[in-house]
Amino acid sequence: AQSVTQPDIHITVSEGASLELRCNYSYGATPYLFWYVQSPGQGLQLLLKYFSGDTLVQGIKGFEAEFKRSQSSFNLRKPSVHWSDAAEYFCAVAGANNLFFGTGTRLTVIP
Amino acid sequence: DTGVSQDPRHKITKRGQNVTFRCDPISEHNRLYWYRQTLGQGPEFLTYFQNEAQLEKSRLLSDRFSAERPKGSFSTLEIQRTEQGDSAMYLCASSRDSTHTGELFFGEGSRLTVL
Repeated sequence: AQSVTQPDIHITVSEGASLELRCNYSYGATPYLFWYVQSPGQGLQLLLKYFSGDTLVQGIKGFEAEFKRSQSSFNLRKPSVHWSDAAEYFCAVAGANNLFFGTGTRLTVIP
Repeated sequence: DTGVSQDPRHKITKRGQNVTFRCDPISEHNRLYWYRQTLGQGPEFLTYFQNEAQLEKSRLLSDRFSAERPKGSFSTLEIQRTEQGDSAMYLCASSRDSTHTGELFFGEGSRLTVL
């Protein structure tokens, strides 16, 4: 069965610092992987997706993620965090007709 | 594109009452999904529709939960005889079609509080 694990419940970074949020997936075949962001009072928004091809994918708001099959990982990165990036981040893997989400990582950005 | 809208945004009810949530998807989207999100958890899939057909409902939490999409446009999620454990955020999402599985547009959610 498909699943994703986000080992970090909460991460705090300073504004301007780099960011990496971890995601590990479990899936028998080549997975379709996603990162979503949920800001307070807003709906989840798709940041980026991986279907196939280039293992480094670019998304919105300056985010990128790298698919590593050997590590079953799809970590999200940003070189310089802005205060507006404070939010909850969810990794997800596609099933046949729906998404399976991780438990999320809450990002706090300090000045 | 007006986005996915959900109503009401917050519902407080007493245990045993019935509640209904409405979702209006993006107009040209054929697929509509319902998820539930509890505190500290990611969204949990409940059911989805392709146009008016409900193609997956085995993950609805109990027979007290039901969903409809009668004309392939808006959808409703009903919970009968609510229990305190039903307190959660109920999320609706839509996608263009089956080739865009995973590329979901979410509404802001309907928060249910059962007293």
